[in-house]
Amino acid sequence: DVKVTQSSRYLVKRTGEKVFLECVQDMDHENMFWYRQDPGLGLRLIYFSYDVKMKEKGDIPEGYSVSREKKERFSLILESASTNQTSMYLCASASTDWHFGDGTRLSIL
Amino acid sequence: RKEVEQDPGPFNVPEGATVAFNCTYSNSASQSFFWYRQDCRKEPKLLMSVYSSGNEDGRFTAQLNRASQYISLLIRDSKLSDSATYLCVVNPRNSGNTPLVFGKGTRLSVIA
Repeated sequence: DVKVTQSSRYLVKRTGEKVFLECVQDMDHENMFWYRQDPGLGLRLIYFSYDVKMKEKGDIPEGYSVSREKKERFSLILESASTNQTSMYLCASASTDWHFGDGTRLSIL
Repeated sequence: RKEVEQDPGPFNVPEGATVAFNCTYSNSASQSFFWYRQDCRKEPKLLMSVYSSGNEDGRFTAQLNRASQYISLLIRDSKLSDSATYLCVVNPRNSGNTPLVFGKGTRLSVIA
């Protein structure tokens, strides 16, 4: 069964911390994506990557960075976490089909 | 204009009812279209793709009108288990490396 695995379902961090959200896929997909989902705002694209070491900004990249050192892993980094980054974070990988991880519910206190 | 717009909902319907969701998209060059279902605190899951000819999967029928840039989803004989948020999703190009664009979703509650 194909799998996109996000490292944590729930995470609580403090303002100013550097936060890493990890996503791993086992389908050998080249394309990986990070979205955040907030009530009333839907899913918004943060960053995506279509190859190792390649990254593209999405619609709301401010305050985030990403790392794609290996094909199977796409990491989202909050350089200095702020309360407005409290959200549900969804990772996806795709070739012809899309697959989502379970999501990470991140709270910044 | 937002890229993908949906009925805001929520829709509260009795079991057995027929309910229709509508969606419009702004990019006329968009290539592929989908309805996703998302249960509370879960990830989105593909419900069905949407084709110009229309397609049906059991109680679910999806339609695409390219001229009007309009997508619909019809659910017949609603079940309690249909309660979820339904996301209208557009792929601007027909490739896996193009990010999907999501509507904000329409919440459906089917009531006994």
